[in-house]
Amino acid sequence: AQSVAQPEDQVNVAEGNPLTVKCTYSVSGNPYLFWYVQYPNRGLQFLLKYITGDNLVKGSYGFEAEFNKSQTSFHLKKPSALVSDSALYFCAVRDMAPTGGFKTIFGAGTRLFVKA
Amino acid sequence: GAGVSQTPSNKVTEKGKYVELRCDPISGHTALYWYRQSLGQGPEFLIYFQGTGAADDSGLPNDRFFAVRPEGSVSTLKIQRTERGDSAVYLCASSPRGGKNLHEQYFGPGTRLTVT
Repeated sequence: AQSVAQPEDQVNVAEGNPLTVKCTYSVSGNPYLFWYVQYPNRGLQFLLKYITGDNLVKGSYGFEAEFNKSQTSFHLKKPSALVSDSALYFCAVRDMAPTGGFKTIFGAGTRLFVKA
Repeated sequence: GAGVSQTPSNKVTEKGKYVELRCDPISGHTALYWYRQSLGQGPEFLIYFQGTGAADDSGLPNDRFFAVRPEGSVSTLKIQRTERGDSAVYLCASSPRGGKNLHEQYFGPGTRLTVT
């Protein structure tokens, strides 16, 4: 069965410092991987995705993520954090194996606090 | 253009009652997803539609939950004999059939269901 884990409930970082939000996954087939962000009182927004190709994918608001097949990880990164990046971040995976169906599995979320 | 809309935004019902939650996807999006999000958790997959048919309903928790999309656009999630454990935010998302945004899900604001 497919699953995704976000090992940190919360990440704290100072503005201007690099940030990393961790995600690991487990699927039977090839994974489609996603990051979504949820700002207070707003709906979930798509940030970026890995489907195939380059292991480093770039997304909205200066975020990027690196797909690492050997470590089954898809960590979200940003070189310089902004206070406005403070939000709840969700990693998600879809298993592209024939038995994977169309289910997208979300992690429990990591709350990012960026301090000025 | 208009995003995904969901009605009502809030619904309070008594245990044992029947409720219907509506989702209006982005025009032209053929894929539609329903999720349930409990406090402190990530979205939990319920069902996926491609066009009018439910391509994957493996996430529906039991037979009290049912969803339809009769014309391939608006979808209704129906919950019979509601229980207090059904209280959650119900999210709808849609995604396009093809193009560079394939597999990216666009979420609505959700319906907060409270069963008393």
